[in-house]
Amino acid sequence: DQQVKQNSPSLSVQEGRISILNCDYTNSMFDYFLWYKKYPAEGPTFLISISSIKDKNEDGRFTVFLNKSAKHLSLHIVPSQPGDSAVYFCAAPYSGNTPLVFGKGTRLSVIA
Amino acid sequence: GAGVSQTPSNKVTEKGKYVELRCDPISGHTALYWYRQSLGQGPEFLIYFQGTGAADDSGLPNDRFFAVRPEGSVSTLKIQRTERGDSAVYLCASSLTAGPWETQYFGPGTRLLVL
Repeated sequence: DQQVKQNSPSLSVQEGRISILNCDYTNSMFDYFLWYKKYPAEGPTFLISISSIKDKNEDGRFTVFLNKSAKHLSLHIVPSQPGDSAVYFCAAPYSGNTPLVFGKGTRLSVIA
Repeated sequence: GAGVSQTPSNKVTEKGKYVELRCDPISGHTALYWYRQSLGQGPEFLIYFQGTGAADDSGLPNDRFFAVRPEGSVSTLKIQRTERGDSAVYLCASSLTAGPWETQYFGPGTRLLVL
């Protein structure tokens, strides 16, 4: 049973436009969420996080929105750049513990 | 400073063989995690250490998998009697301390192929 779901395996966006990556979760005990970015042959790198006491967190071009009632979060990248092309993973610490539960990832392609 | 390093970067072995995968965490990080990523999937938790002890090994798939961290720094993931289904990228991560708010920093992974 997947507790963190990323239902879009891939997304293609024009350079300069907004990229929106979505994530749904089933475990209402999750109270902290993270986005990781992964380039080929590299490990995931932390991008941005959000606590369940907030509904928005912004860091430069990256904004994460959390809708607790819908158990949904999204990552917005604006403006998108070719260097943003990577696989993006949504993750949450399992039941307040330390190990992370990851979604399957969404591959973002930003086209110049 | 140096990030998390993993060796080897690639490992090809035959079914039934024994393999060891090594992880060097960021200096000073007390928590160390092992994840496994299969094709088309996100990383899946295997085991994590706080210091020298395994704090949670609930993700290890069976008793063929074992991990150690004898001095609280370097860790080795050991897989006995490898099977083709063990083929995956094995990722190691470390964080300053254990805790859901601590950022985990990942190494580049070891790609294991079992023929």
